[in-house]
Amino acid sequence: AQKVTQAQTEISVVEKEDVTLDCVYETRDTTYYLFWYKQPPSGELVFLIRRNSFDEQNEISGRYSWNFQKSTSSFNFTITASQVVDSAVYFCALSEAQSFSSYKLIFGSGTRLLVRP
Amino acid sequence: EPEVTQTPSHQVTQMGQEVILRCVPISNHLYFYWYRQILGQKVEFLVSFYNNEISEKSEIFDDQFSVERPDGSNFTLKIRSTKLEDSAMYFCASSERGLDGMGMGMNTEAFFGQGTRLTVV
Repeated sequence: AQKVTQAQTEISVVEKEDVTLDCVYETRDTTYYLFWYKQPPSGELVFLIRRNSFDEQNEISGRYSWNFQKSTSSFNFTITASQVVDSAVYFCALSEAQSFSSYKLIFGSGTRLLVRP
Repeated sequence: EPEVTQTPSHQVTQMGQEVILRCVPISNHLYFYWYRQILGQKVEFLVSFYNNEISEKSEIFDDQFSVERPDGSNFTLKIRSTKLEDSAMYFCASSERGLDGMGMGMNTEAFFGQGTRLTVV
């Protein structure tokens, strides 16, 4: 069965520190998608990235970077030079092939990131 | 930028009452979804809707729940007889297309609304 594990419940860092949020997934499919969403204190879900299982290239977007490793079933998210505005709950999610048209996402339990000034 | 709009932002209802949560998806989107998040917990898929019918639903989405697209713009989630455990944040989402099997193609992003916090007392 598909599963997403975010073992870090809460992380606290000081501004300008780098921080990595871990995500490990389980799936029997060879075709799947992985996502990261940000949930700020205001509560909405903000899309950060989508990665399909065929593309293991790491991605960088400004201070954000993602490391996808199929060999370890991990899709980790790094924030470089963290800022107070990065404080939020971050969710990793998985979508399997049979649910593609349904956009059925299986979310992890989230990691609460607190960036202190 | 187009966005998914949900109303109300917060609803309080008495146990046993019916509640309707409303969503206005992005106008050219064809796929619609409801997710919920019990306070402090993970986000959970409820249902997906395409071409005026449910395409997939989770175990949570039992007979107490229904969805409808009553007109060309709204997408609603109805809970017939609310229970205390229905208290949660409910997110609506929409996408122009579903995901595809090869990871190709555009416009497969699902946009989430800001959520409706439902409190059952």
